[in-house]
Amino acid sequence: QKEVEQNSGPLSVPEGAIASLNCTYSDRGSQSFFWYRQYSGKSPELIMFIYSNGDKEDGRFTAQLNKASQYVSLLIRDSQPSDSATYLCAVNYMEYGNKLVFGAGTILRVKS
Amino acid sequence: EPEVTQTPSHQVTQMGQEVILRCVPISNHLYFYWYRQILGQKVEFLVSFYNNEISEKSEIFDDQFSVERPDGSNFTLKIRSTKLEDSAMYFCASSVRTGYSNQPQHFGDGTRLSIL
Repeated sequence: QKEVEQNSGPLSVPEGAIASLNCTYSDRGSQSFFWYRQYSGKSPELIMFIYSNGDKEDGRFTAQLNKASQYVSLLIRDSQPSDSATYLCAVNYMEYGNKLVFGAGTILRVKS
Repeated sequence: EPEVTQTPSHQVTQMGQEVILRCVPISNHLYFYWYRQILGQKVEFLVSFYNNEISEKSEIFDDQFSVERPDGSNFTLKIRSTKLEDSAMYFCASSVRTGYSNQPQHFGDGTRLSIL
């Protein structure tokens, strides 16, 4: 059973702070990792993806991957109230038709 | 920016009726997917489709479900005899694939299916 685990939160941070969201996965063979943002009642919106160990930065977002620890994280710098949403971690399984296995998501609340 | 479009946005159907959910994937994408999300629960994989055939399906995707690419642009999900537990948001997604690393899947806005 391929599992993706996230802390459900809510994670509350003040405006301007760094939000740190974490995700662990069970399958060592996983190669591709994605962070999606989902506002209530809306569809998942791609934020970041990462394939290699280390950090990947895009604007205020940094994705971090540690395959040895089976751990992927998302840092959001200078958090804004508009960042308040559920953040979904997803792991891709190429050998299973490219399916994404999603975590349950972490609710982030940014307080102004 | 190209996007995945889904119709209808909301579908209300009587239990036991057939329903067809429609999707237009991004035009240069080769892989197509359906996911569903029951209210308050995880996004769950249903099926992936490539080169006019199913690549993978989950245990949810039983004989009541089918997918089709009837023409060069549309991708449909059919539920033959709907049950109350089929009530959920259904998301279509599409992606390209290059080498050993997959490009991300882009999701449509979803169809909210309500079974009465």
